[in-house]
Amino acid sequence: QIQLVQSGPELKKPGESVKISCKASGYTFTDYAMHWVKQVPGKGLKWMGWINTYTGKPTYADDFKGRFVFSLEASASTANLQISNLKNEDTANVFCAREGGGPDWFAYWGQGTLVTVSS
Amino acid sequence: DIQMTQSPSSLPASLGDRVTITCRASQDIGNYLRWFQQKPGISPRLMIYGATNLAAGVPSRFSGSRSGSDYSLTINSLESEDVAIYYCLHHNEYPLTFGSGTKLEIK
Repeated sequence: QIQLVQSGPELKKPGESVKISCKASGYTFTDYAMHWVKQVPGKGLKWMGWINTYTGKPTYADDFKGRFVFSLEASASTANLQISNLKNEDTANVFCAREGGGPDWFAYWGQGTLVTVSS
Repeated sequence: DIQMTQSPSSLPASLGDRVTITCRASQDIGNYLRWFQQKPGISPRLMIYGATNLAAGVPSRFSGSRSGSDYSLTINSLESEDVAIYYCLHHNEYPLTFGSGTKLEIK
């Protein structure tokens, strides 16, 4: 069955970097793009952008340009999100979500990775 | 960017009630509208795709509809397991935008 398994929670200090992974299984990884979604605790969902898993080309929402990098380890069926120069406002649960055709588009999500930024 | 205005933000209802949540799109998004259910500590679950189509495994008491730029999620006969936050999402163009969420609770 299709699964997206994300890396575990992270506790970081302001100014540090973090890398979150999203490992896919149950389908051909390069067939479908991967999206990233941010959720501040107690708040709503915010789309961060997506990465073409075939070409590796990332697209970032405006609020996530600069310190955010989407990347792939295609041989490991894994999409990564790196955030540099962490700020307190980066504290959030981050989800990966798979694109797909028709009914499958955003039907599959990772379990979320909580990133906590605190001095 | 397309804005999705979701209402209400909070919806207290009784078991067995019929409830409706609405999202209004600031521009034409066709039927590129999805509804998600999120329970505490759990990833969002796709409920409706293409504005009106029930996702796999979703109970038939859920339905989606469209009237112009207004998109609605309706639950017929509310059950306790439906308590959650519901979000709409347009995916007509980038950037994608979620609605602000509706917290559905039992009175």
